[in-house]
Amino acid sequence: SQQGEEDPQALSIQEGENATMNCSYKTSINNLQWYRQNSGRGLVHLILIRSNEREKHSGRLRVTLDTSKKSSSLLITASRAADTASYFCATDDQGAQKLVFGQGTRLTINP
Amino acid sequence: GAVVSQHPSWVICKSGTSVKIECRSLDFQATTMFWYRQFPKQSLMLMATSNEGSKATYEQGVEKDKFLINHASLTLSTLTVTSAHPEDSSFYICSARDPVSTQYFGPGTRLTVT
Repeated sequence: SQQGEEDPQALSIQEGENATMNCSYKTSINNLQWYRQNSGRGLVHLILIRSNEREKHSGRLRVTLDTSKKSSSLLITASRAADTASYFCATDDQGAQKLVFGQGTRLTINP
Repeated sequence: GAVVSQHPSWVICKSGTSVKIECRSLDFQATTMFWYRQFPKQSLMLMATSNEGSKATYEQGVEKDKFLINHASLTLSTLTVTSAHPEDSSFYICSARDPVSTQYFGPGTRLTVT
């Protein structure tokens, strides 16, 4: 089962620009996480934001969480070619205690 | 940090045969492991939750007789794809939850059924 949707499904920007991806979910959550996946590879954990947090930073990453709207955003600032990957949000379903992924955003950074 | 391994990393098998994929937590005990499937350019779909010492819990639409899950120890879960068909070709990813509920992902296993 999928928790929700991410938009855009695909995003192509120039190196140095900022990239923003959004994620929506449906149920009550304990936390929301963002992952990166390079083509054909495993997942890399980027950041976790708890349901009682509204914003979190990690290096060039900024994540926001709006539990009233059941949505989150991931901002990557000063993008680099190496940021090209698929990005997924995942929610820890409060009731089911399992991690469910959004549909993902394919990000392409053009040099 | 905690590491989860998968073996094999890739496998090619003939239609009708069975394939076993192993998922191991290397430095922590995992009472719960999860199996996901990912088709090209799609997201991860949770297949089942594997609990040590008990039967796995399968997601709706996943055939439990086709995807056999065994969680025989606190560090090992196996997924066996029985009577594999070309449509079972996919990227299979496991994850393991540590005692403080952090989930760690394995590197994935690419299955190709010819």
